[in-house]
Amino acid sequence: KAGVTQTPRYLIKTRGQQVTLSCSPISGHRSVSWYQQTPGQGLQFLFEYFSETQRNKGNFPGRFSGRQFSNSRSEMNVSTLELGDSALYLCASSKDRANTGELFFGEGSRLTVL
Amino acid sequence: AQKVTQAQTEISVVEKEDVTLDCVYETRDTTYYLFWYKQPPSGELVFLIRRNSFDEQNEISGRYSWNFQKSTSSFNFTITASQVVDSAVYFCALRGYSSASKIIFGSGTRLSIRP
Repeated sequence: KAGVTQTPRYLIKTRGQQVTLSCSPISGHRSVSWYQQTPGQGLQFLFEYFSETQRNKGNFPGRFSGRQFSNSRSEMNVSTLELGDSALYLCASSKDRANTGELFFGEGSRLTVL
Repeated sequence: AQKVTQAQTEISVVEKEDVTLDCVYETRDTTYYLFWYKQPPSGELVFLIRRNSFDEQNEISGRYSWNFQKSTSSFNFTITASQVVDSAVYFCALRGYSSASKIIFGSGTRLSIRP
């Protein structure tokens, strides 16, 4: 079956702009989590969505937001981009809540902020 | 607080050697889950194993084996007879019962297998 699909794979933005990243989970998976990966901070949890509701949130400023649609697809948005937002943004899906089952990750969206 | 420490930043071995990746965790939860993920150059993290805190049995899957020891809060990963295709970054991760869906990842160990 198709894996987790993230779009776009690569994008370049300038400071102050905003960006929207998309994630399509594996068919039948209802939980979607987002992670930010940087060389300095490693993998950090952003948020988790389940049944269109944000269930958990990491320690990121309000510029980072997300949502989930009725078909379980998710988007995350970063407004007023800063240089430090340059990172690989990984989306992961799981059948139920991400707390017990393994996560299936996409290949990520690599964001570069100039 | 929950924390995962992977002290080995990079490991390089020659093909066919055995290699062990260390993972030490901290949590106050009595119920928790430990994971290992592999990140090849393509970027996606690939799930390798999940272990819950009540199951200390070691597990073997082909050339991979895992040693979970609650007494030392360690969950080490051994690759036997390593192959070039094993080259990747490996992450150990922890999900504590009290932290709901938030998974804490270690900083990763970059494993290079030389032919």
